[in-house]
This record gives sequence, C-alpha cells and structure tokens, in this order.
Amino acid sequence: AAGVIQSPRHLIKEKRETATLKCYPIPRHDTVYWYQQGPGQDPQFLISFYEKMQSDKGSIPDRFSAQQFSDYHSELNMSSLELGDSALYFCASSLKNLAGGPGELFFGEGSRLTVL
Amino acid sequence: DAKTTQPTSMDCAEGRAANLPCNHSTISGNEYVYWYRQIHSQGPQYIIHGLKNNETNEMASLIITEDRKSSTLILPHATLRDTAVYYCIAAKSNSGYALNFGKGTSLLVTP
Repeated sequence: AAGVIQSPRHLIKEKRETATLKCYPIPRHDTVYWYQQGPGQDPQFLISFYEKMQSDKGSIPDRFSAQQFSDYHSELNMSSLELGDSALYFCASSLKNLAGGPGELFFGEGSRLTVL
Repeated sequence: DAKTTQPTSMDCAEGRAANLPCNHSTISGNEYVYWYRQIHSQGPQYIIHGLKNNETNEMASLIITEDRKSSTLILPHATLRDTAVYYCIAAKSNSGYALNFGKGTSLLVTP
C-alpha cells in the first residue's frame, strides 16, 4: 500500500540558508501534519492543513512556512536556518474521520536536516 | 488538549504482556485517547484509540477507566520488536487538530 512519501530524506545546509521539504500524502488523504523532532526529543507539532487550508498551528518558528497544494502535497519552507533547526522532520497524513476523532495519522520516514 | 502523564521507562520480558499506564485526569468529553509508538528514529506508528469503551485490535488492547481519567495499553505478548517509545495522547475529535506528543514511555522488551 502507498505510504507517506517525504523528500529529500537527508539534507545538509549551512546557517542562514533556506531549505524546502516536501510531503506527498497517502492518496485520498485530505489532512497533512508536520512535526519536528530534535535529537533526543519527542516529536513537536508544527502545523497542519485540512483540505488545503491551515487547520492547526503549533510551535512553528516565524522563519518557517508551509502550505498544502491542490494535489494535496505539502511543502515546509525553512529560511535563515539555525543550528537548532537540525532535526528529523516528519510529515503525516490522515483522512477525515466521519465517525469522529482525528483518525489514524500515517507518518512518513522523515527528512533529516543537518545545519552546519 | 488534556495533559497526559506516563512512566518514563518500563521493562517487559519477551512473551509476557506489557501494560503501559497513562493518566489523563483533565481529559474533556470530546477528547479521544490515542496511543502511538516510535521505534528508534522511525516515524511514529498508530496503535489504537478510544473514547469511552475498551478497544482491541490486532496490535493491542486499550482499557479506559469509567471516569476516563486514566487508561492502560496492553500488548498481550510482547516481542523484541515492540521495544519503542509509547505515547499516550488526548486529542480532539476534528480532523486537522494536532496530536501533541508529550513524554512517552520507553519500553524495553528483553529476551
């Protein structure tokens, strides 16, 4: 079965550079979530989109922005990168659960960003 | 979202049941209890969720107390591959709302 696809899997950038991460949700899933997981940390929610509109916002820095496109894929743009942005970035997708509940989130394998 | 509290770590012998507790004393009526796990550096994996009733699937069972202030995830026959960090999350019912991962329980299954 198709899973959530994230690209690139690994990315190395210098401080103050810009990075873009891409996420392709499971077909027919309408919701995308972005999480950041620093070394030894738990996943931290950044932002989510439902039907291409921002749905919820967490601890996403102002230097970061994201959007969901008409084909439901999503991109996370990170500018003025700092050393502390080095982390695993996970994307997850879900389908609106008409029975209630956010439904099962399916996570991708993550994109590892290293800022030097 | 309601705050959840879990033990930092637990051990379990292979083949035995692993019982992972979670306290969520401030959970509201429209918040579900979700369990996810994360095997080292992989994306978190959904296990099970429930609102009021006990739930069971092919992976685990979820026991929620009648007052909904706590729950227990049961892995009936733990294997070495169940070694992971287990997260208990209280989350609202609308799609798109965040699942906020707190401090989970690091479960070590030993031979």
